[in-house]
Amino acid sequence: AQTVTQSQPEMSVQEAETVTLSCTYDTSESDYYLFWYKQPPSRQMILVIRQEAYKQQNATENRFSVNFQKAAKSFSLKISDSQLGDAAMYFCAYRSASSNTGKLIFGQGTTLQVKP
Amino acid sequence: NAGVTQTPKFQVLKTGQSMTLQCAQDMNHEYMSWYRQDPGMGLRLIHYSVGAGITDQGEVPNGYNVSRSTTEDFPLRLLSAAPSQTSVYFCASSYSGRVRPDGYTFGSGTRLTVV
Repeated sequence: AQTVTQSQPEMSVQEAETVTLSCTYDTSESDYYLFWYKQPPSRQMILVIRQEAYKQQNATENRFSVNFQKAAKSFSLKISDSQLGDAAMYFCAYRSASSNTGKLIFGQGTTLQVKP
Repeated sequence: NAGVTQTPKFQVLKTGQSMTLQCAQDMNHEYMSWYRQDPGMGLRLIHYSVGAGITDQGEVPNGYNVSRSTTEDFPLRLLSAAPSQTSVYFCASSYSGRVRPDGYTFGSGTRLTVV
């Protein structure tokens, strides 16, 4: 069974600095998707970035980028020029590409604090 | 607006009571699922559906029932509420097949407290 692990329960960053959130996963599959979701205090789940495993190029979305290391099964999220609005809980998630169920597997979450 | 509508947003139940959490989507998504979020445990899958009339259990299905009579609706029923079911519940939906750029659409969540 696939698992996703986020080993950093809490992280903090100074406004305008860069922070990296870690995520590792375990799977025997070669084709899958990885996601980072942001959950602000409003509880809404917001997709930050997604990565397709067969694409070697790391995904980027404005200030958000990932370091996808397929062999190491690592998928970290880098937030550049951190803003106060980035403060939230961040979840890493996995989905098999061959799945016909649509099931997402989530990590435990990392709470990010942004200091002014 | 297109999306996932989840109700209620908050609910307090007494132990032993039953209730239904509603989830509806208007995007014609095939996949729908229910997750519960607990501190330090992320989101865990309760039940999921791949289409009308088809449901299956996820990681933590005990104490919950689901049905999917239409593509749009996927209600979650708590049969006899227990304090261990105190949690935040999310409904999510997506298209089948390869994941599209917008991924999954989540409801706004229900905070349930069982006393």
